Amino acid sequence: DQQVKQNSPSLSVQEGRISILNCDYTNSMFDYFLWYKKYPAEGPTFLISISSIKDKNEDGRFTVFLNKSAKHLSLHIVPSQPGDSAVYFCAASARGGSQGNLIFGKGTKLSVKP
Amino acid sequence: GAGVSQSPSNKVTEKGKDVELRCDPISGHTALYWYRQSLGQGLEFLIYFQGNSAPDKSGLPSDRFSAERTGGSVSTLTIQRTQQEDSAVYLCASSPFRTYEQYFGPGTRLTVT
Repeated sequence: DQQVKQNSPSLSVQEGRISILNCDYTNSMFDYFLWYKKYPAEGPTFLISISSIKDKNEDGRFTVFLNKSAKHLSLHIVPSQPGDSAVYFCAASARGGSQGNLIFGKGTKLSVKP
Repeated sequence: GAGVSQSPSNKVTEKGKDVELRCDPISGHTALYWYRQSLGQGLEFLIYFQGNSAPDKSGLPSDRFSAERTGGSVSTLTIQRTQQEDSAVYLCASSPFRTYEQYFGPGTRLTVT
């Protein structure tokens, strides 16, 4: 039973355009969400996060949107660059301010074409 | 500064043998996590250490899996009597106290033949 779902295994976007990666979750107790980027043969790298008390967080070209009523979040990358080509994982936590393990989706492979 | 390091980077072992995977977290990080990623899957939580507290072992798939964290720093994940389904990339992560963001090492690719 997947609590965090990334329904698109892959996405292809032209350089300079917007990339939108989607993530759905089922556990209403999740209170913090993170996006990680992973290149082949490397560990995941933290990209951006959002608390459940917010609906948007922006960091440079990356923006994460959270729709709690729909249990949906998305990562927007504008403008997309070839170096953004990687696997993107959505992750969630339900620890209410304490630490604990993250629940990950299966990832979406983004390809940005020059 | 130095990130999370893991060794070995690759390990090939025969079915039935024991293996040990090592993780060196970022200095000063109090929490340490082990995950694994099987082919085509997301990251699966295995075990979590926080300071001197008892570890959260709820993700370990069987009693063949165990982990230690010595002196609040280095951790070793041990898999006894390896099976082919244990083949995966084993990832270690650490984080500072009371921080959600986890910092991952490069992983150990385990292949059981």
